[in-house]
Amino acid sequence: EDKVVQSPLSLVVHEGDTVTLNCSYEVTNFRSLLWYKQEKKAPTFLFMLTSSGIEKKSGRLSSILDKKELFSILNITATQTGDSAVYLCAVERRGSTLGRLYFGRGTQLTVWP
Amino acid sequence: DGGITQSPKYLFRKEGQNVTLSCEQNLNHDAMYWYRQDPGQGLRLIYYSQIVNDFQKGDIAEGYSVSREKKESFPLTVTSAQKNPTAFYLCASSISLDTQYFGPGTRLTVL
Repeated sequence: EDKVVQSPLSLVVHEGDTVTLNCSYEVTNFRSLLWYKQEKKAPTFLFMLTSSGIEKKSGRLSSILDKKELFSILNITATQTGDSAVYLCAVERRGSTLGRLYFGRGTQLTVWP
Repeated sequence: DGGITQSPKYLFRKEGQNVTLSCEQNLNHDAMYWYRQDPGQGLRLIYYSQIVNDFQKGDIAEGYSVSREKKESFPLTVTSAQKNPTAFYLCASSISLDTQYFGPGTRLTVL
């Protein structure tokens, strides 16, 4: 059975801290891994990763994929209260004509001022 | 503005009633999806559609139905056969094999 596991499920930090969120997967015919940020409503897209070892970066957020060890990490440096959200990891399978995604349970990040 | 809209934002249903959740997109995306999200859980796929007049069951399709008569629209009906429908419902769309973009969601509560 395909599965995507995120850890930790919940994390509380203070502003300025750096956090690392983890996503491991067991999915056949892997095509890509995606990170989303969800603040109470619609998940918003952060990154799509398809190749191992290539870091994607957007401001204070960065992510990298390890296809050999089957995991990805999402780093957030100098956290701000606006980073408080649920961070979702999803994996897409190859071989489908449709980009079907398998989601983890998410990591609830809370940043205190 | 281009985007995905869902309505209503909040919906209350009595047991035994069917309700329909709306999802509209003006992004000219081919593919559309419905997910269900329960507290502390990841998103689970209910139905998806790649083209007009075609749709496929996802992982938890029982008790739900959909239609895709227009490219822009993919309504979801939660039927009385769905045993535990209280959840947050998210619609998404994408150009095939590309990133999925989500609507703002509908929170359904059964009274």
